[in-house]
Amino acid sequence: GAVVSQHPSWVICKSGTSVKIECRSLDFQATTMFWYRQFPKQSLMLMATSNEGSKATYEQGVEKDKFLINHASLTLSTLTVTSAHPEDSSFYICSVSTSGVLTQYFGPGTRLLVL
Amino acid sequence: AQTVTQSQPEMSVQEAETVTLSCTYDTSESDYYLFWYKQPPSRQMILVIRQEAYKQQNATENRFSVNFQKAAKSFSLKISDSQLGDAAMYFCASHPDYNTDKLIFGTGTRLQVFP
Repeated sequence: GAVVSQHPSWVICKSGTSVKIECRSLDFQATTMFWYRQFPKQSLMLMATSNEGSKATYEQGVEKDKFLINHASLTLSTLTVTSAHPEDSSFYICSVSTSGVLTQYFGPGTRLLVL
Repeated sequence: AQTVTQSQPEMSVQEAETVTLSCTYDTSESDYYLFWYKQPPSRQMILVIRQEAYKQQNATENRFSVNFQKAAKSFSLKISDSQLGDAAMYFCASHPDYNTDKLIFGTGTRLQVFP
């Protein structure tokens, strides 16, 4: 399977600041990348799907102006949480897939704590 | 709506024994993919096994095997010779729609393994 990294692995920030999370596919041409959010003891909640070179498609209820997603290349996608607030504290996970391969491979996740 | 149901929030098994985790799903597609992912305490999502619906043969990966009942829309995971390292959250997921690469996840089953 694909090797996926996320950076940073954890971040603490002050309320009102913006935080950028990177997702890199290290050995895999990721035509599609996904961003999930996971609350403690819950399942993964899909936030958005991004295709390389295209605008991300956001799930219902996810604010696209708050969670900015950029998928500029086949190996990198970024999620920027703008003007973060304590309720944005969560575990954010990215995954990658490629055309014809429906399996998603996941990054190790980023724990965000907004004070 | 496409759904995936895991009716067992928690399961436990003794080391070296066998345990089966249940999953049912709903889809209107005739061809689709099903997955089991494992999320250990590190929270890294790891692909355990994948089943293609058009294949009648149940998928097997070492100690992990599935019982895929297409008519009943059931996809259970059997773990044989359980090991302490198998302790994790297990998520069942379906890829029900060829128009997108999105996965639908169940709510998860927490597996405890006792020595």
